[in-house]
This record gives sequence, structure tokens and C-alpha cells, in this order.
Amino acid sequence: GNSVTQMEGPVTLSEEAFLTINCTYTATGYPSLFWYVQYPGEGLQLLLKATKADDKGSNKGFEATYRKETTSFHLEKGSVQVSDSAVYFCALSLDTGRRALTFGSGTRLQVQP
Amino acid sequence: GAGVSQSPSNKVTEKGKDVELRCDPISGHTALYWYRQSLGQGLEFLIYFQGNSAPDKSGLPSDRFSAERTGGSVSTLTIQRTQQEDSAVYLCASSLAWRQTDTQYFGPGTRLTVL
Repeated sequence: GNSVTQMEGPVTLSEEAFLTINCTYTATGYPSLFWYVQYPGEGLQLLLKATKADDKGSNKGFEATYRKETTSFHLEKGSVQVSDSAVYFCALSLDTGRRALTFGSGTRLQVQP
Repeated sequence: GAGVSQSPSNKVTEKGKDVELRCDPISGHTALYWYRQSLGQGLEFLIYFQGNSAPDKSGLPSDRFSAERTGGSVSTLTIQRTQQEDSAVYLCASSLAWRQTDTQYFGPGTRLTVL
């Protein structure tokens, strides 16, 4: 079946540090890939997405590139802020099979001033 | 415009009672989803509605769980004879339609605690 694997957290960084959160997927087909973020006390919101190989999604200084050859969609940001502290979820969707997002387990990011 | 809304935001109930959770999707969105977020299981799909088609109930964990969507809009998730393992945050999402490229927009969730 389809699955998403994320690096375990928590990830603790100092402000202005470089961030990478790894995400790899297994899917029968060519999925669309998403990063969702959940800030403390809030609901899930879309951070960025990519719908085909080599696409780069970007938003709020975050980027992720859809790499079909390595089945990966790693999230990066050049300089994190305290306000980026949240839980980040990688997810995929496919037109075949179950019509729902398949999520990774989430990675908690803590940014210290 | 208005996002996905859910009510109640918090629900505390006693084991064995029935609960109803409500979701109001974004206007014009024909696809609606329920997920459950719990510490041990992460984010799990429960059920999917698309227009007037039969729902995909394949994620419902037991026959104590049911959901309906009236008039293609509001949805209610019902849990009968609640158990402590039902304690979780129940998330509703909607999208314009089902395409794998479509973004799903999530509500704030209902936190259910079963004592």
C-alpha cells in the first residue's frame, strides 16, 4: 500500500538555522505530495505542494522538490524563526485507490531564540 | 471566505454514551473527509464523501462509527457506545472535488475525551 515516512522529532534548532525535514514515500503510481503544518492549538493548514516530478513547492520561505528517482519530498528552509515552531506533516494523494491523504507521522520542530 | 468549521470544539463524555460531531465544509466543495488524530496512530482516514455518490467508509474502525452528509453539505460523524480508545481529535476536511492535485482544507477539529 501507499505510505509516507518522515524523520522522527523533535527537531530543535536555534533561530536562523537551516532546516531540513526528510520525507520519503511509497506509492503505486505518481502521487501528488503535500506538506501540512499544525501550529500549537491550531488546525492543519497546507504549507506547500507539488503535483508532478521535479516540481518545487514553496511558501513562507519553505521549499520542497518532488524527486521521483529518490521518492522524496524533503522540506527545507534557509533560516528558521521561533514562529516556525510547529508539527509538520508530509502527505500524498493518488487518483487510484482510497481517495484520501496518506500522512506521515509528523515531525515536531522547536526553534529556540 | 469562511473555512471549514467543526462543532463542538471539545467534547467530554462518559464511556458508553453516544456522541455526534458536526462539520460544515467550505461552500461549493463537493468532497468531504473525516480523519482522526491520536497520539498512538497519527492521522488516520475515516470516511470520504463525494457529491451524491456512496461514501467510502473503508477507514471506519468499527461499526460503532457512522457518518452522513445531508444535502451535499453538512456532515455528522456519530460514535455509538464510546470507548476510551475513541479519545482523539476528529478532523474534517473539504476540497473542491476529488482530484489527487486538489488541496484539502481542514477544520480546527473536535477534541473528544472519553472518561
